[in-house]
Amino acid sequence: DGGITQSPKYLFRKEGQNVTLSCEQNLNHDAMYWYRQDPGQGLRLIYYSQIVNDFQKGDIAEGYSVSREKKESFPLTVTSAQKNPTAFYLCATLPRDSPNYGYTFGSGTRLTVV
Amino acid sequence: AQSVSQHNHHVILSEAASLELGCNYSYGGTVNLFWYVQYPGQHLQLLLKYFSGDPLVKGIKGFEAEFIKSKFSFNLRKPSVQWSDTAEYFCAVNAGNNRKLIWGLGTSLGVNP
Repeated sequence: DGGITQSPKYLFRKEGQNVTLSCEQNLNHDAMYWYRQDPGQGLRLIYYSQIVNDFQKGDIAEGYSVSREKKESFPLTVTSAQKNPTAFYLCATLPRDSPNYGYTFGSGTRLTVV
Repeated sequence: AQSVSQHNHHVILSEAASLELGCNYSYGGTVNLFWYVQYPGQHLQLLLKYFSGDPLVKGIKGFEAEFIKSKFSFNLRKPSVQWSDTAEYFCAVNAGNNRKLIWGLGTSLGVNP
């Protein structure tokens, strides 16, 4: 089946630790996005990548880092510099030629700092 | 700056009631408009979209939305809601061929059986 796989579904992190969230897609979509979802705040864009080896900061990039070494993969690292990392993280993709189609979303990773 | 405003943060209805969720955006040029739905414990799904043509668009599960350019609005409607429509609804706008979406804060809909 084509789709987006985010792993793990639940993740617990101790304060001061870096943690990496995985996003893999087999849709052959060019663009990939990371969003953070908090109650009452909607979706906020962290980073996005239009093509391999290129990515741009979104609205709340501080404390996060990404890489895009392969078309299929766009991992997000939540660093210890992120002051309030507990949230629900969503990965999305968009095909190059059909921006009007809308995003496809993964099922998300819920990160909790303990 | 471009923005999307959803007027209702929480809505509670009884089954069979009619639904209208407001969405307004701020951008004067060409826009593509989306409504997404997130059912409890599930991922975001595209409910419907508008990018050209008939301003009244129909989506899945009996939902529809009307694009009114003069009002910068894209309100979501359903004539008769069901308990299974309990979910969070997000309006989003893609403005000026930008490949980023601008999101509203979402509306939480609860439907009482």
